[in-house]
Amino acid sequence: NAGVTQTPKFQVLKTGQSMTLQCAQDMNHNSMYWYRQDPGMGLRLIYYSASEGTTDKGEVPNGYNVSRLNKREFSLRLESAAPSQTSVYFCASSEAPGGGDEQFFGPGTRLTVL
Amino acid sequence: GQQLNQSPQSMFIQEGEDVSMNCTSSSIFNTWLWYKQDPGEGPVLLIALYKAGELTSNGRLTAQFGITRKDSFLNISASIPSDVGIYFCAGRGGGTSYGKLTFGQGTILTVHP
Repeated sequence: NAGVTQTPKFQVLKTGQSMTLQCAQDMNHNSMYWYRQDPGMGLRLIYYSASEGTTDKGEVPNGYNVSRLNKREFSLRLESAAPSQTSVYFCASSEAPGGGDEQFFGPGTRLTVL
Repeated sequence: GQQLNQSPQSMFIQEGEDVSMNCTSSSIFNTWLWYKQDPGEGPVLLIALYKAGELTSNGRLTAQFGITRKDSFLNISASIPSDVGIYFCAGRGGGTSYGKLTFGQGTILTVHP
């Protein structure tokens, strides 16, 4: 099992460009999450999907959209990237909403917006 | 919204020393979790706590869920170089916030051989 995979690992964008971050899990988990990590801020929830077909806003959703494509895949889209979106983005999945015992994290995507 | 204050922000210790870090919250949590993040990787769960007053160990790690449900601490005994990384606490509340984790700012641990 690969667990949670994310693509790409690194990305540099110019202000105003768009891109989609991809996430997939092979653990048959119901819930998936997108976080951003900034120095000194911990991880902040952007959007989550409690189950296939549902998505909800987290703490910092502005400037982002998500799609729960199927049970395995949950993508994060930046329509018009801004320098404030420079961050490390983590996708996570869990058995049930809330994570049960654990949320499993992917390796992250390091995004720089110039 | 819910906030967690994690301290200290960073620690520089010698190999073999014990480490203690803690998190406090303005809100009550039903679950406390402690994660470790290695450089360039995603966080990995170390310990999960589900009950006020609970004390749980995982090898050299010990964590406690505070009686007030607003705090938790993590201790690492006899530190080794591979303990280096960022340690995060996370809390999960109930009610309308059920399911969402709130993370602390992280404690950066450096261990000198």
